[in-house]
Amino acid sequence: RKEVEQDPGPFNVPEGATVAFNCTYSNSASQSFFWYRQDCRKEPKLLMSVYSSGNEDGRFTAQLNRASQYISLLIRDSKLSDSATYLCVVNNIDYGGSQGNLIFGKGTKLSVKP
Amino acid sequence: DGGITQSPKYLFRKEGQNVTLSCEQNLNHDAMYWYRQDPGQGLRLIYYSQIVNDFQKGDIAEGYSVSREKKESFPLTVTSAQKNPTAFYLCASSIYAADTQYFGPGTRLTVL
Repeated sequence: RKEVEQDPGPFNVPEGATVAFNCTYSNSASQSFFWYRQDCRKEPKLLMSVYSSGNEDGRFTAQLNRASQYISLLIRDSKLSDSATYLCVVNNIDYGGSQGNLIFGKGTKLSVKP
Repeated sequence: DGGITQSPKYLFRKEGQNVTLSCEQNLNHDAMYWYRQDPGQGLRLIYYSQIVNDFQKGDIAEGYSVSREKKESFPLTVTSAQKNPTAFYLCASSIYAADTQYFGPGTRLTVL
């Protein structure tokens, strides 16, 4: 079974803090990586894709480490509105080499306090 | 407005009844998916379809059925054979498998 593992948290941080989440994946052949955000009782929404070179979108930075098979998400200057569950997502390449479907981690819960 | 819609938002059914959840997308995506999410748990794949008139079982297909007669539509039937059907059901679509998935707002099914 191909797995995506995340620390469930919760991470409780004050406004303005910097917080980082890590996620490990077991399929070394995976090619697509994403971070999704899920608010309570809502659907997951794409936060950002993760590229080999890393990518940044405002206060959010994602990094990929293929050698160690982990993905990270860094949130700077946390806002109250960042409170949510963050899902790490990886595609599952099968032994035949087809792209496979996405595997969702169980998520890391972030709570930003005033 | 392009997007993916699910209806109804909340659904209540008596035990032993089949129920069909609707999922429609106008994004012209080839692939569509159904997931189930239980409280405090991750998403589990029920069924997926990479193209019209074709679909495959996911990790927890028992007690569920789907059809993909049109590109835009991927309805999910929760049958009486599903032992614990109460859950949050999410439909998603993507341009192709392994690409970014976009989710509908979900249907909360409660079986009484």
